[in-house]
Amino acid sequence: GAVVSQHPSWVICKSGTSVKIECRSLDFQATTMFWYRQFPKQSLMLMATSNEGSKATYEQGVEKDKFLINHASLTLSTLTVTSAHPEDSSFYICSASSLGTGTDTQYFGPGTRLTVL
Amino acid sequence: QQPVQSPQAVILREGEDAVINCSSSKALYSVHWYRQKHGEAPVFLMILLKGGEQKGHEKISASFNEKKQQSSLYLTASQLSYSGTYFCGTNSGNTPLVFGKGTRLSVIA
Repeated sequence: GAVVSQHPSWVICKSGTSVKIECRSLDFQATTMFWYRQFPKQSLMLMATSNEGSKATYEQGVEKDKFLINHASLTLSTLTVTSAHPEDSSFYICSASSLGTGTDTQYFGPGTRLTVL
Repeated sequence: QQPVQSPQAVILREGEDAVINCSSSKALYSVHWYRQKHGEAPVFLMILLKGGEQKGHEKISASFNEKKQQSSLYLTASQLSYSGTYFCGTNSGNTPLVFGKGTRLSVIA
């Protein structure tokens, strides 16, 4: 149980285009989903927290107009990178939590590798 | 505030033991341990809550020393499959996890 999927697994796009990444909880309902980015050999950096049906909460330094997050249902959250640039190239990982509390387990998706040319 | 993990990297031969530490300058509410293999998602190992908890599964166990604001992950009789980067994630309440920089573990035959 507790499976989280992401789509696509990887994407290559041209500078200036937008890319949408989907995160789905397959066998449980996720009250809260989290979006992280990870640079090679570095830690997971939280970008934003999203709760179903409400606006996402962004971490300091993360541009909310550039990284659009939608959590439309209890099983789906999307991250759209708008007007992508090469510096946005990274590994984006989502995680999902059924209760969304600080002690609840977060289950991670397999990640999406974004390369912006 | 990001927790501090030590060591940064460790190389073990199969069958050897290892300890990975995770400490914080703030009082911790919970500690979550994950293992990530290259190019893959982090896999949940275990969660420890406030109160000196200890738990384990097979040959991987962990403790949470509340007073020291520290948690340790114990890997006993390591196997090749244990290789990967281990992350601790911590919070000080009902807040999102903040992850340490990771400990890279390599198990060799």
